[in-house]
Amino acid sequence: GDSVTQMEGPVTLSEEAFLTINCTYTATGYPSLFWYVQYPGEGLQLLLKATKADDKGSNKGFEATYRKETTSFHLEKGSVQVSDSAVYFCALDFYNQGGKLIFGQGTELSVKP
Amino acid sequence: SAVISQKPSRDICQRGTSLTIQCQVDSQVTMMFWYRQQPGQSLTLIATANQGSEATYESGFVIDKFPISRPNLTFSTLTVSNMSPEDSSIYLCSVVGQGHNEQFFGPGTRLTVL
Repeated sequence: GDSVTQMEGPVTLSEEAFLTINCTYTATGYPSLFWYVQYPGEGLQLLLKATKADDKGSNKGFEATYRKETTSFHLEKGSVQVSDSAVYFCALDFYNQGGKLIFGQGTELSVKP
Repeated sequence: SAVISQKPSRDICQRGTSLTIQCQVDSQVTMMFWYRQQPGQSLTLIATANQGSEATYESGFVIDKFPISRPNLTFSTLTVSNMSPEDSSIYLCSVVGQGHNEQFFGPGTRLTVL
């Protein structure tokens, strides 16, 4: 079945370090791909998305490129801040099949000053 | 984007009782979903709330345990029935707006069952 796999956390980085959170997916069709973020004590927010191969989603300094050949959607940021500490979820969505989201297990990021 | 509210925001309940969670959206939406996020885990889809008809449940979830209503395009309820401590989770409502292909999530309802 369709699934999403993320790198395990927690990930601990120093401020201004480079961030990569790996995400790979298994799907029979052509899903849209998303990164959601959950800050401590808050709800789930959409961070960025890509709807087709080679699309790059970006927001708040974060980027992810939809790589069909490697079935990946890795999240990157060049310089993380303490305020980026959160749990990050990769997800896929087959809108034309009802819009159900399939989530990865989440990766907790902790950024130290 | 849609503005979604959920009531209650949190509750502590006794084993064997039931709790109904409400989800209200500020605009008409095409799709509404209910998810569960167990402590320290990812989100799992419970069901799709269908307007005017029975909800569509995912594998492992049944209507007797999680009855869902959606009387119109802006409102849905999820009931957690005959609760046990294993039902302690955050329950989230999400919506897909008309003409969009991304989901927006409500703030969640944090349920603790003693």
